[in-house]
Amino acid sequence: DGGITQSPKYLFRKEGQNVTLSCEQNLNHDAMYWYRQDPGQGLRLIYYSQIVNDFQKGDIAEGYSVSREKKESFPLTVTSAQKNPTAFYLCASSIPGGSKTEAFFGQGTRLTVV
Amino acid sequence: DQQVKQNSPSLSVQEGRISILNCDYTNSMFDYFLWYKKYPAEGPTFLISISSIKDKNEDGRFTVFLNKSAKHLSLHIVPSQPGDSAVYFCAASSRGSTLGRLYFGRGTQLTVWP
Repeated sequence: DGGITQSPKYLFRKEGQNVTLSCEQNLNHDAMYWYRQDPGQGLRLIYYSQIVNDFQKGDIAEGYSVSREKKESFPLTVTSAQKNPTAFYLCASSIPGGSKTEAFFGQGTRLTVV
Repeated sequence: DQQVKQNSPSLSVQEGRISILNCDYTNSMFDYFLWYKKYPAEGPTFLISISSIKDKNEDGRFTVFLNKSAKHLSLHIVPSQPGDSAVYFCAASSRGSTLGRLYFGRGTQLTVWP
């Protein structure tokens, strides 16, 4: 089955700790994205990557970091610098062949800072 | 600054009737529009899309209408079913922007009651 897998589904973190969210896809998509969802805020773009070893900041990149060492993987690290990390995080991928391609999403990771 | 706006946070419709979800955008460079459906604690799933060269696209019970002059699109669901109860996100992209990058509205919670 092709798709995007995010893990873990639920994650708890103590204040001041970094935490890494996993995102793996076997759709052979070049482009991958991280979005954050907060109540009433829609989906906001954190980082995106169009190709291996390259990534760009989105609209709310502060306090986050990413890597793209493999086509299939795009992990997101939430650092202690992120002031409000509690949120629902969504990873997505798409084929960068023009704007007519929809993005496919993973099931999300709910991060809670305790 | 929201480039894609969904001004109705919620909509309640009786089963069997039509649901109309609205979306406005401000960026005239957007040329591809999508609707996603999202259940709680899950990732969004693609529903239907429309290119700016069309003004209507239909897929079963779902129809999307695009009014470019008004920068407005709408999703019609006929007939509405209880299983349609979810949050619906409108999204837009542009050939001139990052390939595959989507701009999302804040979502509309649709509730279909028996």
